[in-house]
Amino acid sequence: EIVLTQSPGTLSLSPGERATLSCRASQSVSSNYLAWYQQKPGQAPRLVIYGVSTRATGIPDKFSGSGSGTDFTLTINRLEPEDSAVYYCQQYGGSPWTFGQGTKVEIK
Amino acid sequence: EVQLVQSGAEVKKPGESLKISCKGSGYSFTNHWIGWVRQMPGKGLEWMGIIYPSDSDTRYSPSFQGQVTISADMSITTAYLQWSSLRASDTAVYYCTARTGTYISWGQGALVTVSS
Repeated sequence: EIVLTQSPGTLSLSPGERATLSCRASQSVSSNYLAWYQQKPGQAPRLVIYGVSTRATGIPDKFSGSGSGTDFTLTINRLEPEDSAVYYCQQYGGSPWTFGQGTKVEIK
Repeated sequence: EVQLVQSGAEVKKPGESLKISCKGSGYSFTNHWIGWVRQMPGKGLEWMGIIYPSDSDTRYSPSFQGQVTISADMSITTAYLQWSSLRASDTAVYYCTARTGTYISWGQGALVTVSS
């Protein structure tokens, strides 16, 4: 089983700043099957990035994904209050598909 | 456009059985993995398992093996998640999810409440 470890647990930043979220896998993620989700309280997860770096439909270009192998990053530029959420990474290549534990992004 | 439409919220008593559904459309249902994710109240996302409809190859997370049954009916492009005997600890939102290439789609979620 591929274990995904996200860091930091919580990120507290001011509007306009950049957030850098990390997702580290215990072994290589196959075929770039790595996704990022945004989840706000009471809502379903929203796909932000899939295939490591492809933005999902409707996601602004302030969100970007990068990485390969075992190290992946979600970057959120120009933070706004509405970016406040928990962000999860997921690998969906090798079974079992797994999730990271989440990073909470707070806007000061 | 890939769409996954789940059945509605359920309220059940401990010990009862339940089968919830997820209907896929807009893609070749038969040839793509589809599965289930659990989110307990206030907790993170947990991957439960997946099924490949064309040959019913099913993979479970060790945490859910033996606790639930995942199945699919190709004729109506629908996947299922089933419990034979619910527990209060099964109270959660359940999402179906399908992988098409590197894209991954989600259903809207179904709240299952188990309470006496």
